[in-house]
Amino acid sequence: KAGVTQTPRYLIKTRGQQVTLSCSPISGHRSVSWYQQTPGQGLQFLFEYFSETQRNKGNFPGRFSGRQFSNSRSEMNVSTLELGDSALYLCASSLLIGQYEQYFGPGTRLTVT
Amino acid sequence: TQLLEQSPQFLSIQEGENLTVYCNSSSVFSSLQWYRQEPGEGPVLLVTVVTGGEVKKLKRLTFQFGDARKDSSLHITAAQPGDTGLYLCAGAREGSARQLTFGSGTQLTVLP
Repeated sequence: KAGVTQTPRYLIKTRGQQVTLSCSPISGHRSVSWYQQTPGQGLQFLFEYFSETQRNKGNFPGRFSGRQFSNSRSEMNVSTLELGDSALYLCASSLLIGQYEQYFGPGTRLTVT
Repeated sequence: TQLLEQSPQFLSIQEGENLTVYCNSSSVFSSLQWYRQEPGEGPVLLVTVVTGGEVKKLKRLTFQFGDARKDSSLHITAAQPGDTGLYLCAGAREGSARQLTFGSGTQLTVLP
């Protein structure tokens, strides 16, 4: 069974631009969560989607948004990029909402210059 | 303030040595997971513990969940260079929406 895939793997953007990251969960998994990982703050929860609805949200500004499609694939969008948004963005999937085991993708390394 | 405190933050040991990594909190968790992350990759789930006092063994790795479900430890016996990586604990808090909180991580280096 294929794992979680994320595209692109690497991205360089300029301050003020926006970016969209994509995540395809493990086949059959319906819950997708997004995390931001930085050296200073570690892994921080952004949001979780299930059945195309955002079910849970972390403490991030409104510039961070996401959505989930009917095939469970998810996208994350960051608008008006700031230097501090440079991070590894990780997507994780689980079979159902309420299950604690999450399976992570390799991440998208975003660099904002 | 980190909800989950991991110690030590860095650990460098020789192949064959034993080590223990700790994950502590003042909050109670419904469950706790341990992950290992290698450079350029996402975290890989190693184990989930859900019952206070639970002990799980995975080859040379032993995981323990505290009786009060506030802390956990990971013990590695006879460490090997392949064990090198960032070890992360993550907990789901009781009474809150399902949201994993991650510890700050322990960077383990096992030297040959």
